Amino acid sequence: DQQVKQNSPSLSVQEGRISILNCDYTNSMFDYFLWYKKYPAEGPTFLISISSIKDKNEDGRFTVFLNKSAKHLSLHIVPSQPGDSAVYFCAASDGSARQLTFGSGTQLTVLP
Amino acid sequence: DGGITQSPKYLFRKEGQNVTLSCEQNLNHDAMYWYRQDPGQGLRLIYYSQIVNDFQKGDIAEGYSVSREKKESFPLTVTSAQKNPTAFYLCASSVGLLYGYTFGSGTRLTVV
Repeated sequence: DQQVKQNSPSLSVQEGRISILNCDYTNSMFDYFLWYKKYPAEGPTFLISISSIKDKNEDGRFTVFLNKSAKHLSLHIVPSQPGDSAVYFCAASDGSARQLTFGSGTQLTVLP
Repeated sequence: DGGITQSPKYLFRKEGQNVTLSCEQNLNHDAMYWYRQDPGQGLRLIYYSQIVNDFQKGDIAEGYSVSREKKESFPLTVTSAQKNPTAFYLCASSVGLLYGYTFGSGTRLTVV
């Protein structure tokens, strides 16, 4: 039972365009959401987060949007750069001791 | 520099052998976690520990064991009971969700 779902295993975008990565969740107790970026053979690195009391959080080229009623969040990268090519994981927390539940990831490829 | 060190980066094991993966952090984080990554399945939680001398099973603990004798160290033993041990293993630590987890660079275990 996947509580955090990333339904697109891969996404390709042209350099300079917008990348939109999507994530859906089923657990209504989730109240904090994070995005991680992962290169091959490396550990994930924290990118951006959002609390359920907000619907948008922005950090430079990265913006995360949260739609609580739809249980959906998205990560927008504008403009996309070739160095953004990586696997992006969304993660959610319900505040319990086990902390984060991860999605299956989306491979983003930014074409030059 | 503070961080998490996982060793070795690559590990080969013969069937029927136990093997221990090392995870050390100097971030003074209380919580530590072990995840397994398989293609298309994202990150699955094996074990986690909130404090020294205490740890909890995650979603896929069967065939694995851990110890937490020191705050800095959280080794994972992959036992011969683990049916499909070949995977990429990630260790993480956290002090709270605001900045997410800090991950190590991972250990790729291959059973030969």
